[in-house]
Amino acid sequence: DVKVTQSSRYLVKRTGEKVFLECVQDMDHENMFWYRQDPGLGLRLIYFSYDVKMKEKGDIPEGYSVSREKKERFSLILESASTNQTSMYLCATPGPNSNQPQHFGDGTRLSIL
Amino acid sequence: KQEVTQIPAALSVPEGENLVLNCSFTDSAIYNLQWFRQDPGKGLTSLLLIQSSQREQTSGRLNASLDKSSGRSTLYIAASQPGDSATYLCAVNEPNSGYALNFGKGTSLLVTP
Repeated sequence: DVKVTQSSRYLVKRTGEKVFLECVQDMDHENMFWYRQDPGLGLRLIYFSYDVKMKEKGDIPEGYSVSREKKERFSLILESASTNQTSMYLCATPGPNSNQPQHFGDGTRLSIL
Repeated sequence: KQEVTQIPAALSVPEGENLVLNCSFTDSAIYNLQWFRQDPGKGLTSLLLIQSSQREQTSGRLNASLDKSSGRSTLYIAASQPGDSATYLCAVNEPNSGYALNFGKGTSLLVTP
């Protein structure tokens, strides 16, 4: 079974800090995604990656960047954290083709004070 | 841009009832539609995936249908149990999205003993 591991379940940071959220998958999948989930807004795509060192912007990339140096690891970076980035962050990876379900990590609840 | 809508936003039923959750989408050009379950503070668990060429999928007490031409899907839960209480999300997987999912805002289900 696919395992997607997010490094932190809960994280509290201060405004202006640089924040790193880490995600690791164990299935050698090429595609990985970062979403954020907010009440009333649902899940929205921040960034995704097709392969090592490749990245694409999603629907709400502003204020974020990503890094994919190894296939199994996809990092989300908040360059200068702001209070409006307080949210639940979810990492996911799909199967090897378009008809495989997407597998999610347990999420990181990030609070920016 | 594809819009995914779930109705109702919240639902409360007594244990044992059969129930239907609805999902609609505006663009029928999809690879597949996926139903997920999310428990409070947790990540998403895949329940069912319906490929665009399929009409329905079943897993245990769950049955999901897809009518691509009308842009609708339903999730049928038979003989509901208190353990079914969770938020249910539907999402469509579209071409040219790198397998990223476009989510509805979910239906929050409470099954009372």
